[in-house]
Amino acid sequence: GDSVTQMEGPVTLSEEACLTINCTYTATGYPSLFWYVQYPGEGLQLLLKATKADDKGSNKGFEATYRKETTSFHLEKGSVQVSDSAVYFCALLYSGAQKLVFGQGTRLTINP
Amino acid sequence: DAMVIQNPRYQVTQFGKPVTLSCSQTLNHNVMYWYQQKSSQAPKLLFHYYDKDFNNEADTPDNFQSRRPNTSFCFLDIRSPGLGDAAMYLCATSRGTGAGETQYFGPGTRLLVL
Repeated sequence: GDSVTQMEGPVTLSEEACLTINCTYTATGYPSLFWYVQYPGEGLQLLLKATKADDKGSNKGFEATYRKETTSFHLEKGSVQVSDSAVYFCALLYSGAQKLVFGQGTRLTINP
Repeated sequence: DAMVIQNPRYQVTQFGKPVTLSCSQTLNHNVMYWYQQKSSQAPKLLFHYYDKDFNNEADTPDNFQSRRPNTSFCFLDIRSPGLGDAAMYLCATSRGTGAGETQYFGPGTRLLVL
């Protein structure tokens, strides 16, 4: 079945460090890909998305590129801030399927 | 601001006592979803409505029911909560189910079962 695998957490970085959170997927077709962020005690917020191969999603300094050849959608940011501390979920969605398939989440902590 | 609203944010119930969680939206979206998220886990879809059409996930227990009386509101009913039902319950909406449709989540209701 379809699945999403994220890099194991937790991840702890210092402020202004570079961030990469790996995400790979297994799917029979060409899903849309998403990154959601969840701050403590809150619901999920869409961070960025990409709907087809080679698309790059970006928001708030975060970027991710839909790589069909490696079935990946890694999340990157050049300089993280304390306010980026949260849990990040990678997810896929098929057209008409309604259900988001989430990875297990990666907890990110940024220290000042 | 247009948004997805969930009430209450925290709900405490007793083992076996029915409980209802509510969700409302001002986005006028066609689709409303309920997800269950247990501690340190990914959200898991329970069911969704496309307009008035109810779609249940195959592995959703019968203990969980839902109602959507109109476009704006959707309810999650847990008929006889067990200790294992303690979780965060997330409501989400989307305009439709096409490619790349974004699901917008509410802040969630954290359910505690005593």
